[in-house]
Amino acid sequence: GAVVSQHPSWVICKSGTSVKIECRSLDFQATTMFWYRQFPKQSLMLMATSNEGSKATYEQGVEKDKFLINHASLTLSTLTVTSAHPEDSSFYICSARDRGQSNYGYTFGSGTRLTVV
Amino acid sequence: AQSVTQLGSHVSVSEGALVLLRCNYSSSVPPYLFWYVQYPNQGLQLLLKYTSAATLVKGINGFEAEFKKSETSFHLTKPSAHMSDAAEYFCAVTSQGGGNKLTFGTGTQLKVEL
Repeated sequence: GAVVSQHPSWVICKSGTSVKIECRSLDFQATTMFWYRQFPKQSLMLMATSNEGSKATYEQGVEKDKFLINHASLTLSTLTVTSAHPEDSSFYICSARDRGQSNYGYTFGSGTRLTVV
Repeated sequence: AQSVTQLGSHVSVSEGALVLLRCNYSSSVPPYLFWYVQYPNQGLQLLLKYTSAATLVKGINGFEAEFKKSETSFHLTKPSAHMSDAAEYFCAVTSQGGGNKLTFGTGTQLKVEL
């Protein structure tokens, strides 16, 4: 089945530094990838939608300059949290839509736990 | 706009008992509906999805859900709960005109007791 690899699974960084999270579709081409943020005991909130070769579309209230998304190839999207602060600590999850599936195949990564100290 | 409502943030059942997790949706166009399961500190795993084919959808691990347009519901059921079913469950909706974005419900934490 479709597999999405998300790396790292957890990261601790100092306040003011930047962190990059990678999301790779291992066995399929993903024209569209999604980035979510999940607070403890809460649902997933969509941050942005990225399409290969174009700029990401950010949801209302998400700072595009703080959460930089790059989708340079059909198998890789990255989320960079710039100048991270403790309030950015959260669980980030990516999802990729299989280009070859016509009935809405979404596959999720295993998530990244970001802690900013 | 689309939305899903999951009634009951916490559901507790005995092992071997019926599992029923409720999901109601709102959509102005024909919806596509999903159920996902999430274990602690992990991503989401697809249990099943409805994409306008059969209204009774069978998924993995013995779960199934029935799309009822008249009730705008897509409840998740499993005849007999197992301890390994304890997890967070999310209902989600999208549509052809929804920009491919999934909108999630608030989730239901399922607890299975001996």
